[in-house]
Amino acid sequence: QVQLVQSGAEVKKPGASVRVSCEASGYTFISHNITWVRQAPGQGLEWMGWIRPYYGDTHYAQKFQGRVTMTTDTSTNTAYMELRSLRSDDTALYYCARTPLGAFDIWGQGTMVTVSS
Amino acid sequence: DIVMTQSPDSLAVSLGERATINCKSSQTILYSSNNKNYLAWYQQKPGQPPKLLIYWASTRESGVPDRFSGSGSGTDFTLTISTLQAEDVAVYYCQQFYGTPGTFGQGTKLEIK
Repeated sequence: QVQLVQSGAEVKKPGASVRVSCEASGYTFISHNITWVRQAPGQGLEWMGWIRPYYGDTHYAQKFQGRVTMTTDTSTNTAYMELRSLRSDDTALYYCARTPLGAFDIWGQGTMVTVSS
Repeated sequence: DIVMTQSPDSLAVSLGERATINCKSSQTILYSSNNKNYLAWYQQKPGQPPKLLIYWASTRESGVPDRFSGSGSGTDFTLTISTLQAEDVAVYYCQQFYGTPGTFGQGTKLEIK
């Protein structure tokens, strides 16, 4: 079946970087954008940016410009999101989502990133 | 950025009754060239990722029960659950995908009265 499987939880110190992976299966990976969305504990959903696996181009929310990099490896059908210079307010559940029409039809299970000294 | 505002923030409805959630965008999200509203609705249950219910404001995602319906155009939208079931307890989010970033509403928590 169509699914996105994300990497496991991470604990990082302030100032460090984190890379989250998202492996796709059950569909043609290069056919649909992947968007990254995060959710701080007890809070709402925040759109971070997307990547088009076929072209490798990206579009990031201005808030994350300069701190985030999204990439894909089409040989393994995996998308990656790297966030640098982590702060405590980056503590959140990070989701990848398939984006065929702009809406998100398939979501990963989420990766908890905790930033703490 | 387009701001999405949902109302109410929380809602308690009796089983079998109708639940209505509203969503307003700060600018139109109706694309005139194809007459489509770039709005989606999601349901999120505790400990789970969001689930797509509705896109193009009124198109039900495959497998979503027909008690869920979406309506509206331009800047004002509504999600209706016609007869509330116990499994519908969740937080509901609207999201615009007309522009980037694809902003979400703040969420509406739906509970059983």
